Amino acid sequence: DIQMTQSPSSLSASVGDRVTITCRASQDIAGSLAWYQQKPGKAPKVLLYASSNLESGVPSRFSGSGSGTHNTLAISSLQPEDSATYYCQQYYTTPFTFGQGTKLEIK
Amino acid sequence: QLQLQGSGPGLVKPSETLSLTCSVSGGSISSNYYWDWIRQPPGKGLEWIGSISYSGATYYNPSLKSRVTISIDTSTNRISLRLNSVTAADTAVYFCARRWLYYGLWGQGTLVTVSS
Repeated sequence: DIQMTQSPSSLSASVGDRVTITCRASQDIAGSLAWYQQKPGKAPKVLLYASSNLESGVPSRFSGSGSGTHNTLAISSLQPEDSATYYCQQYYTTPFTFGQGTKLEIK
Repeated sequence: QLQLQGSGPGLVKPSETLSLTCSVSGGSISSNYYWDWIRQPPGKGLEWIGSISYSGATYYNPSLKSRVTISIDTSTNRISLRLNSVTAADTAVYFCARRWLYYGLWGQGTLVTVSS
């Protein structure tokens, strides 16, 4: 199985800040990576796919980059509604696997 | 607008079979997508259970393969999940989701508790 490791596990930032979350894969996933946002009691919602492609309707303050085994999610100009847990997921091969999640708190 | 609605018992006894259904409304199950089940234990991360295509081809997580069956009924727009011989470790919110590479559409999730 491909292991997905996110860092940090949690972070706290203020409205207007820029934050980054890193996702490392245990092997090359050729950009087959998606980022999801999950709020308590809700299903995850896709933010980006193919490492850096913004899903329709997602604010442009979300961006992704990376290739190979190293990917990053950046959120610029944090908003209160960005408080959530963020997951990366590889869809390069089965079994599809997720990172353990990064909980973002807005101060 | 296509929607996914999961349903099924919220409580299952240990050693019994968990059975859930995902109903697709607002459109039909399309051959362009796969239909997956993903679960999330309380307070924990996401685990892929398995996937089925429109034609019925299935792919399972090896960690669950011996206990899982996913099926599709295109006439009723339903996808089903069966998980045998459940234990407390199977307590989780179970999501159905539509996949085209990534998961663009999710059901609301069904909490299943395994307890006697």
